[in-house]
Amino acid sequence: AQKITQTQPGMFVQEKEAVTLDCTYDTSDQSYGLFWYKQPSSGEMIFLIYQGSYDEQNATEGRYSLNFQKARKSANLVISASQLGDSAMYFCAMSLISNFGNEKLTFGTGTRLTIIP
Amino acid sequence: DTEVTQTPKHLVMGMTNKKSLKCEQHMGHRAMYWYKQKAKKPPELMFVYSYEKLSINESVPSRFSPECPNSSLLNLHLHALQPEDSALYLCASSHRDRVLGETQYFGPGTRLLVL
Repeated sequence: AQKITQTQPGMFVQEKEAVTLDCTYDTSDQSYGLFWYKQPSSGEMIFLIYQGSYDEQNATEGRYSLNFQKARKSANLVISASQLGDSAMYFCAMSLISNFGNEKLTFGTGTRLTIIP
Repeated sequence: DTEVTQTPKHLVMGMTNKKSLKCEQHMGHRAMYWYKQKAKKPPELMFVYSYEKLSINESVPSRFSPECPNSSLLNLHLHALQPEDSALYLCASSHRDRVLGETQYFGPGTRLLVL
């Protein structure tokens, strides 16, 4: 079974500072994908970034980067130059990669990020 | 374009009502999903459809009935719901991508209140 742990229930960060959201995972499988989603108060789950277990380079997408440390089983999200619009709930998630598809997403409990002006 | 649409945005229903939630995607994704999300919790998977066939049912009560009329549409029929079924219902779709794996793209959700 897979498990995702997010140990920071809430974080407050000054605007324009960088922020790191922690995520550790547990799986015995070798092929898996790691995801980060942002959920504003409106409710929509917005896909931010993806890292495959065999990807050697850390994923980056604009101001988002994923600090992937496979040996430590961590996949932290780094947001550079935070903005007020970054205030939201952030979920780390993982799924196995198989030939059959339909892999379930296992979510962490989330981190509520608040950006302070 | 990674848009998944859901209607209605909000729904209030009594315990004896029958209603349906609708989800639509035009990205050619082969898999579609229903999730239930309670406040301050992560989403919980309910159903997965792959190529219009139900492939995963996470032991959801029969008062929730999914339907996939075609590859772009996913419905969730609701009947005789309980107040504890009040939640945000999220739809998602996905396909296998060489770069992004099996990324799921979510719709804006339907906020359901059962009275």
